[in-house]
Amino acid sequence: AQSVAQPEDQVNVAEGNPLTVKCTYSVSGNPYLFWYVQYPNRGLQFLLKYITGDNLVKGSYGFEAEFNKSQTSFHLKKPSALVSDSALYFCAVRDYGNNRLAFGKGNQVVVIP
Amino acid sequence: KAGVTQTPRYLIKTRGQQVTLSCSPISGHRSVSWYQQTPGQGLQFLFEYFSETQRNKGNFPGRFSGRQFSNSRSEMNVSTLELGDSALYLCASSLAPSGGASETQYFGPGTRLLVL
Repeated sequence: AQSVAQPEDQVNVAEGNPLTVKCTYSVSGNPYLFWYVQYPNRGLQFLLKYITGDNLVKGSYGFEAEFNKSQTSFHLKKPSALVSDSALYFCAVRDYGNNRLAFGKGNQVVVIP
Repeated sequence: KAGVTQTPRYLIKTRGQQVTLSCSPISGHRSVSWYQQTPGQGLQFLFEYFSETQRNKGNFPGRFSGRQFSNSRSEMNVSTLELGDSALYLCASSLAPSGGASETQYFGPGTRLLVL
């Protein structure tokens, strides 16, 4: 079964500094990887996904993620964090042929003004 | 396009009661999935519907059920509520179901259920 690990509970970063949220995955076949963000009392908002092709994926709001097959990682990055980026971030993976998303536990990102 | 809508947004029930939650997918989306989100267990997959058929089911007891209508709207039902059913229930829609694994699921705002 597919699974995702987000090793850090909380990521603190100063506004304007680079932001990285880590994710590693485990799947039996080719991975389909997703990042979502959740603001308080809201649903999940799609940021970006990796299906195939270029290992660097660009998404919404200036976020990007780098797929690394050898390290089975899909870290989310933003060059310059904003206070409004403070939220809960989820990494998810899906196997081909299986439409269920397996989510990591989530990372709370706190951007300090 | 309007996003995924879920009703009601908040619900308070007592143990033993049953509850029905509703989800309207994005126009044109035919696949609907349901997830439960709790602080302890995180996000867990409940089930997925496509063309009024359940295509996939997570590891939840039979008290949790769902259905999908011909217009792709979906409902989930929880019978004999337990305290542990208190959670945020999220619905997600996508164009394609299983086999379209690259499809993006778009989530609604959720229904927050509190069981007393």
